[in-house]
Amino acid sequence: GDSVTQMEGPVTLSEEAFLTINCTYTATGYPSLFWYVQYPGEGLQLLLKATKADDKGSNKGFEATYRKETTSFHLEKGSVQVSDSAVYFCALRVSNTGNQFYFGTGTSLTVIP
Amino acid sequence: EPEVTQTPSHQVTQMGQEVILRCVPISNHLYFYWYRQILGQKVEFLVSFYNNEISEKSEIFDDQFSVERPDGSNFTLKIRSTKLEDSAMYFCASTGDRGELFFGEGSRLTVL
Repeated sequence: GDSVTQMEGPVTLSEEAFLTINCTYTATGYPSLFWYVQYPGEGLQLLLKATKADDKGSNKGFEATYRKETTSFHLEKGSVQVSDSAVYFCALRVSNTGNQFYFGTGTSLTVIP
Repeated sequence: EPEVTQTPSHQVTQMGQEVILRCVPISNHLYFYWYRQILGQKVEFLVSFYNNEISEKSEIFDDQFSVERPDGSNFTLKIRSTKLEDSAMYFCASTGDRGELFFGEGSRLTVL
């Protein structure tokens, strides 16, 4: 079945450190891939997305590249800030007809000054 | 910017009571969803709704759960007889033509 496997957390980094959160997927079709972020006390917000192989999604300094050969969509940021502290969820959706999204377990990131 | 709104933000109820969680999806969206997140766990799909009927539901969405779109704007989740394990954050979401899932801020349900 369709699923997402995400790097276990929690992750603690110093400000300006490099961030990688790994995400791999299993899908029966050709999924669209997403990263969502959940700040403390808030709902999930779309961070970035990629809809086909080799696409790179980017937003707020975060990037992720859709790698079909490794079935991965790792999230990266070159220099994290304290304000990036949140829970990050990788997700996939297999079709464009409104089918359900599958979420990873979430990775909690804490950035310390 | 259009957003999904949910009420109440927090509800405390006794086990066995009925609860209705309300959502107003983004106005031109056609697909609506309910997800839940038990504290510290993953975001779990409950149900999707399109064209006034359920299009998909998960194993979690048993006979105790129901959804309804009673008018042109609201989308509700009803839990008929709450159990302790229903305590969670419930997120409503909707998708538009670009396929992105927009979430509300969630309704925290505490069952005592």
